[in-house]
Amino acid sequence: EAGVTQSPRYAVLQEGQAVSFWCDPISGHDTLYWYQQPRDQGPQLLVYFRDEAVIDNSQLPSDRFSAVRPKGTNSTLKIQSAKQGDTATYLCASSFAGWEQYFGPGTRLTVL
Amino acid sequence: QQQVRQSPQSLTVWEGETAILNCSYEDSTFNYFPWYQQFPGEGPALLISISSVSDKKEDGRFTIFFNKREKKLSLHITDSQPGDSATYFCAASANSAGNKLTFGIGTRVLVRP
Repeated sequence: EAGVTQSPRYAVLQEGQAVSFWCDPISGHDTLYWYQQPRDQGPQLLVYFRDEAVIDNSQLPSDRFSAVRPKGTNSTLKIQSAKQGDTATYLCASSFAGWEQYFGPGTRLTVL
Repeated sequence: QQQVRQSPQSLTVWEGETAILNCSYEDSTFNYFPWYQQFPGEGPALLISISSVSDKKEDGRFTIFFNKREKKLSLHITDSQPGDSATYFCAASANSAGNKLTFGIGTRVLVRP
């Protein structure tokens, strides 16, 4: 069974540029999570979906970040105008009915 | 406020020794505690987990000890191997909060051959 896949694996931007991250969860998993992991820290939840609905986006900086999961399968996380403080690894995870979460390899973002 | 605390931040053991990683939490509604293992350049991988109704969970060389009264848990890695060198994260969630995971800062373990 294929795991969670993410692309791209790396991104390097100048401040003010936009970037999108894509996630394909494990087949059959109804819940999808996006985390931000700064260097040498634990993952921090940004937003999560059950099917196509946003369940919690309270930690998502809504002025510049957005996330969608239109068909309840794949998901896209977008940063509209990146800042140096956004430098981190962005992780996608999925689970079935909110139990064990399985993570993808992440996208390492550097904002110059 | 850090809801999940881990110590030590880093730990070095010799091959064959037991590594002990500590975790504590603040929120009494937390009832599920997974531990994740992360290698450089990879995403975290679920290693072992425990629910608050148990005080011990064992899986091969990995054992979680849980003390609900003190809000503490620990991960013991027995017969440590160089391949166990990684960062280990303690996480916690509550059914009442939709199983959102709160992670600690991690413990970096180095196993010397």
